[in-house]
Amino acid sequence: DSGVTQTPKHLITATGQRVTLRCSPRSGDLSVYWYQQSLDQGLQFLIQYYNGEERAKGNILERFSAQQFPDLHSELNLSSLELGDSALYFCASSVSDHNEQFFGPGTRLTVL
Amino acid sequence: SQELEQSPQSLIVQEGKNLTINCTSSKTLYGLYWYKQKYGEGLIFLMMLQKGGEEKSHEKITAKLDEKKQQSSLHITASQPSHAGIYLCGAPKLSFGAGTTVTVRA
Repeated sequence: DSGVTQTPKHLITATGQRVTLRCSPRSGDLSVYWYQQSLDQGLQFLIQYYNGEERAKGNILERFSAQQFPDLHSELNLSSLELGDSALYFCASSVSDHNEQFFGPGTRLTVL
Repeated sequence: SQELEQSPQSLIVQEGKNLTINCTSSKTLYGLYWYKQKYGEGLIFLMMLQKGGEEKSHEKITAKLDEKKQQSSLHITASQPSHAGIYLCGAPKLSFGAGTTVTVRA
């Protein structure tokens, strides 16, 4: 158990819908990262937050957004969902940019 | 963005044999992570390397970062069924290789 929690574990929804994925980092970790893992794209970095502020952006679509709250938990919002958004979404946390990232168990999103 | 290439894509080893996975970067690495993943599950942190020439070991797994900091290798000695899984290398900020699937045959 990495100490990073993600909810829900599974999510099934329809195209055009909007969903919110939630992540609670390890106690004491200020950085939260979001990743998308699909069979054809592998593990892709989406976005990083550090202590409530956006720190780095990766291959995140405009339909996706994230935020980190004062209690350091983070949410990833995915809107206007498409079939291709079906993937495993991972959250990771670390103490700082230069420390190892600990991954949550992931949320499996299926868009029908 | 920083591209990380892993090789081989997959490998099958007999239990007790050694194996090596390579990770090559198109740019100088300022640090490299190795993770292990069971299919469909979260990633488990193995090791982080930051300095050129650095080598770290944990149990039967050894990871090295070359002096030029563009190549890393992960070596497993006397593999066991518990070593089966997908091994990924990743760079801080924040790309990952495609992964190497390891199968250990009894």
